[in-house]
Parts: sequence; C-alpha cells; structure tokens
Amino acid sequence: DVKVTQSSRYLVKRTGEKVFLECVQDMDHENMFWYRQDPGLGLRLIYFSYDVKMKEKGDIPEGYSVSREKKERFSLILESASTNQTSMYLCASSLIRSGTDGYTFGSGTRLTVV
Amino acid sequence: AQSVTQPDIHITVSEGASLELRCNYSYGATPYLFWYVQSPGQGLQLLLKYFSGDTLVQGIKGFEAEFKRSQSSFNLRKPSVHWSDAAEYFCAVGARAGGTSYGKLTFGQGTILTVHP
Repeated sequence: DVKVTQSSRYLVKRTGEKVFLECVQDMDHENMFWYRQDPGLGLRLIYFSYDVKMKEKGDIPEGYSVSREKKERFSLILESASTNQTSMYLCASSLIRSGTDGYTFGSGTRLTVV
Repeated sequence: AQSVTQPDIHITVSEGASLELRCNYSYGATPYLFWYVQSPGQGLQLLLKYFSGDTLVQGIKGFEAEFKRSQSSFNLRKPSVHWSDAAEYFCAVGARAGGTSYGKLTFGQGTILTVHP
C-alpha cells in the first residue's frame, strides 16, 4: 500500500516563525498536494505539484510556498506564520494526474500558531 | 470553476437504519466524482468513485452512490449503518482532461455522521 507520511502530528509555533511541514510518499507517485482542513470549510487546496521542481497554486496559496526537490518529498512552507494559519494540514499523492486512482492521504499535521 | 456542496453538516442515525448523504456539484461537463471518509484522527480514505458508465457505483464498506446528471448530484447511501461508520464524509469533484481545473480535486464541506446504538 502507498504510504504518505507527514513528519509531525502536532506542531505549535509562534507568530512570525517560518514553519516547514514535510510530506513523504513511498510509491513513486508523480502528483502531490497540500490541503488545509477547517471545520465547516472542508478541504481547500493550497498548492500541488505534478513533477519534481514543479509547483502550481491551488485555491488558497497566500501566505504559503512549497518545495519539491525530490519526487517523494513535498514540503509546505509558511514564510511567516500567523494565527489564521492554525489548521489541520493534509498531504496527499496520486499516481494518475486526473486523480481517478484516488488520492492517498497522510494522517495530517495539526498546526497551532500562538 | 468546479464546486461541491454537501447540504448537511451533521447527520445522526440509529445503528441499523439506512443512510443517505447528499452531494451536489457544479461543473460544465460530466465530472469525476468521489466520496471519501475520514475517521477521527486519520487522513481521508477513498470509498468509491464515478467516471462514466453505470450511474450506480459500489464502494468499500457496503456503500454505494448514484450519479444523477439531471440533478447534478452524487448521493452516498448505505442500507444499514454500523456504529463503526461514524466519521466525517467528503464528496469531491475532479475535472476531465482539458478543463482548467484538471488534476485538482475540489472537496465539499463535509458531513459528520453520528451513529446512535
């Protein structure tokens, strides 16, 4: 089974800090995604990537950036964390670009910015 | 742009009762449609998906969903709910190749299912 591993389950950071959320998948998937999940809002796409060193903005990219230096790793960066970025962050990967194989999700990182 | 609406934020059913979770989508053509489930503290797991063909699709854990083009709906059903089905359920829509949103899944707001014994 494909496994998507997010390095931290819980994180607490201070306002203004630079925050790195790491995601690694072990099945050679081309496509990787970062979503944030908030109650009543569902999942919203932040950034995604179809290939190494490639990235595309999702629906809510402001305040975030990403890095994909290796195929298996997709990092989400909060350049200067703010309290409105307190959320659950979910990483996902898929083999097929259309997503028709179904995304495989990590267990999530719950980030609190104080 | 594609969008998904799940009208019910929270549904409560008794164990053994039937279940229907509603999903309405907005998309210019026939989309790809998905249902995912999220158990507490977990990531999302794919329940079922629709691409084309038979409009009634079967998934894991005894779930099924029916695509109705005329109603832009993709409702999830289960004939008899088990306590272990308590979770949050997400409907998602994906665009076909050539669409501006190709390769991105758009998720609904989620429906929390509570099961009473």
